[in-house]
Amino acid sequence: SQTIHQWPATLVQPVGSPLSLECTVEGTSNPNLYWYRQAAGRGLQLLFYSVGIGQISSEVPQNLSASRPQDRQFILSSKKLLLSDSGFYLCAWRRQYNEQFFGPGTRLTVL
Amino acid sequence: DAKTTQPPSMDCAEGRAANLPCNHSTISGNEYVYWYRQIHSQGPQYIIHGLKNNETNEMASLIITEDRKSSTLILPHATLRDTAVYYCIVAGAGTGNQFYFGTGTSLTVIP
Repeated sequence: SQTIHQWPATLVQPVGSPLSLECTVEGTSNPNLYWYRQAAGRGLQLLFYSVGIGQISSEVPQNLSASRPQDRQFILSSKKLLLSDSGFYLCAWRRQYNEQFFGPGTRLTVL
Repeated sequence: DAKTTQPPSMDCAEGRAANLPCNHSTISGNEYVYWYRQIHSQGPQYIIHGLKNNETNEMASLIITEDRKSSTLILPHATLRDTAVYYCIVAGAGTGNQFYFGTGTSLTVIP
């Protein structure tokens, strides 16, 4: 069966510090991968998606970037965090004609 | 952007059926209707999806109108653990199609 992992589960970072969130998927190959952000009390905002290694599409201009160095690994990064980057970050995967499956999420607080 | 409209909140008595509506009047012929739910501080959980026929699984039933412009998610016997935010999404089946989440319906199951 397929599983999706995210770490860390929670993170507190100062403004201006770098960020690296990691997502890995097991039990499938060549999935589409997605990063979402959910601000407090809000819906999910799609940030990035990837259809293959090295292929990244950005949905909104922002302070963040994404990379996919391996088939089942998706990384969300920032060089300098802003207060507005605080939120709940969710990774998801999808195979063609199937539904999306979400990871447990990372709660980021920028102080 | 989300292509669906849902009521912001609903209550349901424990043990009764919960009927959650969704309007998607601009749905395209090849787009599916997906339902997810999110319990506080967790990643969204897939519930069910359908194209034009009604669907049922162990969690819920999905009723799609004949013109496909609206749908209803039915939780047949709501429990307290069904309290969550429920999202209705329309998306194509191909992996080039993205999931855009709206603000969903906050369902509260009352003892």
